[in-house]
Amino acid sequence: KAGVTQTPRYLIKTRGQQVTLSCSPISGHRSVSWYQQTPGQGLQFLFEYFSETQRNKGNFPGRFSGRQFSNSRSEMNVSTLELGDSALYLCASSSPGVGGELFFGEGSRLTVL
Amino acid sequence: AQSVSQHNHHVILSEAASLELGCNYSYGGTVNLFWYVQYPGQHLQLLLKYFSGDPLVKGIKGFEAEFIKSKFSFNLRKPSVQWSDTAEYFCAVISTGGFKTIFGAGTRLFVKA
Repeated sequence: KAGVTQTPRYLIKTRGQQVTLSCSPISGHRSVSWYQQTPGQGLQFLFEYFSETQRNKGNFPGRFSGRQFSNSRSEMNVSTLELGDSALYLCASSSPGVGGELFFGEGSRLTVL
Repeated sequence: AQSVSQHNHHVILSEAASLELGCNYSYGGTVNLFWYVQYPGQHLQLLLKYFSGDPLVKGIKGFEAEFIKSKFSFNLRKPSVQWSDTAEYFCAVISTGGFKTIFGAGTRLFVKA
């Protein structure tokens, strides 16, 4: 069974640009969560989607947005990038009935110059 | 709001030493609790989980954790660490039936051979 796939793995952008990250969940998983990981801050929750609906959102500015498609694949977008957006962005998928256990991808490492 | 606090950000141990990593959470309702581990260069993976029942749960690689409801704690333990346990460990909590998993800031463990 293929794991969670995130693309791209690495990217470099400059301030003011926008970026779109993609996540393909494990087959059959309909919930996708996104996290921002930075040293010392742990994983900060961005949002969670299930069946194309955002069910929960973290405390991030409106520049951070996401969506989920009918095949459960998800994208997140960050507009008007700032230096502080440099981080590892993790996607995790989950399935109902497993009590919230998350299966993570390897992440997309974003560097903003 | 839910929160998770991990007491130690960095821990250095020698091989064969015992390990205990502290985790406390704040939430008034029923929760599911997790410990995830991130080995160098690898993606986050589940170490162990607690949903209900026996408050002492065992996970992979000899790890165990004890849920103490009165203390809102879920501490991770291992009697004898190995060099291969060098990794970052994250405690996480989700309210039962919820959609948002909250993570602690993580503890970096370095085991000296």
